[in-house]
Amino acid sequence: NAGVTQTPKFRILKIGQSMTLQCAQDMNHNYMYWYRQDPGMGLKLIYYSVGAGITDKGEVPNGYNVSRSTTEDFPLRLELAAPSQTSVYFCASRNDRVLGNEQFFGPGTRLTVL
Amino acid sequence: EDKVVQSPLSLVVHEGDTVTLNCSYEVTNFRSLLWYKQEKKAPTFLFMLTSSGIEKKSGRLSSILDKKELFSILNITATQTGDSAVYLCVYGGSQGNLIFGKGTKLSVKP
Repeated sequence: NAGVTQTPKFRILKIGQSMTLQCAQDMNHNYMYWYRQDPGMGLKLIYYSVGAGITDKGEVPNGYNVSRSTTEDFPLRLELAAPSQTSVYFCASRNDRVLGNEQFFGPGTRLTVL
Repeated sequence: EDKVVQSPLSLVVHEGDTVTLNCSYEVTNFRSLLWYKQEKKAPTFLFMLTSSGIEKKSGRLSSILDKKELFSILNITATQTGDSAVYLCVYGGSQGNLIFGKGTKLSVKP
């Protein structure tokens, strides 16, 4: 299994540009999550999904959108990039059929908005 | 609002020392508490503590959960330079989401 994969690894955007961060998992996990981590801070939840076709807001959803058309993929969309969205973005997945909250993280995408 | 507070925020020790990292939490409906280790990449899972498993041990690392006092500790004995990382205490919510503390940055000097 590849686990959780994310692309791209790095990206620089100009203010107002848009982009999609890709996330895929091949573990057949039903739950998927997007977090952002600012320097010196813990991870904050942006959006999450409990299964294909179902998404919900997390702690910091403003400026982002998600979709979950398949179990495997959970892309994160930035429509109008702002400097405040400069961060490292982590995607994660979890199998809720297993007791507990352990999440498996992707390698992250480092985004800079100038 | 659910909250996780870690202390200290940073810690410098020498190889061979024993360290204790602290985590206190205020949550409305406890489900689980997790510890992750983060180096210059994604967090990696260490332990999960629940009502039915309040003490975990793996090699030099161990963790306990005190549900009455609402805290957890992560203990690392005989520290090595490879233990240098940010250690994240994480509350596992009822929706499966995770609420992260800010982390404790541990630096182990040779």
